[in-house]
Amino acid sequence: DSGVTQTPKHLITATGQRVTLRCSPRSGDLSVYWYQQSLDQGLQFLIQYYNGEERAKGNILERFSAQQFPDLHSELNLSSLELGDSALYFCASSAGQAYNEQFFGPGTRLTVL
Amino acid sequence: ELKVEQNPLFLSMQEGKNYTIYCNYSTTSDRLYWYRQDPGKSLESLFVLLSNGAVKQEGRLMASLDTKARLSTLHITAAVHDLSATYFCAVMDTGNQFYFGTGTSLTVIP
Repeated sequence: DSGVTQTPKHLITATGQRVTLRCSPRSGDLSVYWYQQSLDQGLQFLIQYYNGEERAKGNILERFSAQQFPDLHSELNLSSLELGDSALYFCASSAGQAYNEQFFGPGTRLTVL
Repeated sequence: ELKVEQNPLFLSMQEGKNYTIYCNYSTTSDRLYWYRQDPGKSLESLFVLLSNGAVKQEGRLMASLDTKARLSTLHITAAVHDLSATYFCAVMDTGNQFYFGTGTSLTVIP
């Protein structure tokens, strides 16, 4: 158990809908990262937050947004969902900046029908 | 965009043998990460390499980084079945973005 929690574990929804994925980092970790894993595109870095501020942005679509709240949990919002958004979404946390070891949550499996 | 290439993509090896997984990347970086993923599971961080010549070892795995050659290696010594998994390398660029390799699926055969 990495100490990082993600909810929900599974999510099935329809095209055009909007969903919110939630991540709670390990106690004391200030950085949260979001990743997408799919068969088509492999592992992709989406975005990083550090202590509430956006720190780095990767291949995150405009339909997607994220934020980190004062209690350090983070949410990834996916809107106008398309079939191709079906994937595993992982979050990870680390103690400080990205030089540190990252601890991954169990992931949320999103299926868009 | 930074490109990361791993090889081999698939590796089947006998228990007790040694092998190396290679990770090449396209632009200058001195931040490289190795991860392990078991089937149906999340990722586990193995090594963080932050400077040229960095070498880290944990059990039967040893990772090294040559920033001049833009190459990292993950060496497996005397493989055991428990090492069967997919291994990913990832490189961070100067903008703190991560780029992942395609992964190496390792199967250790008794």
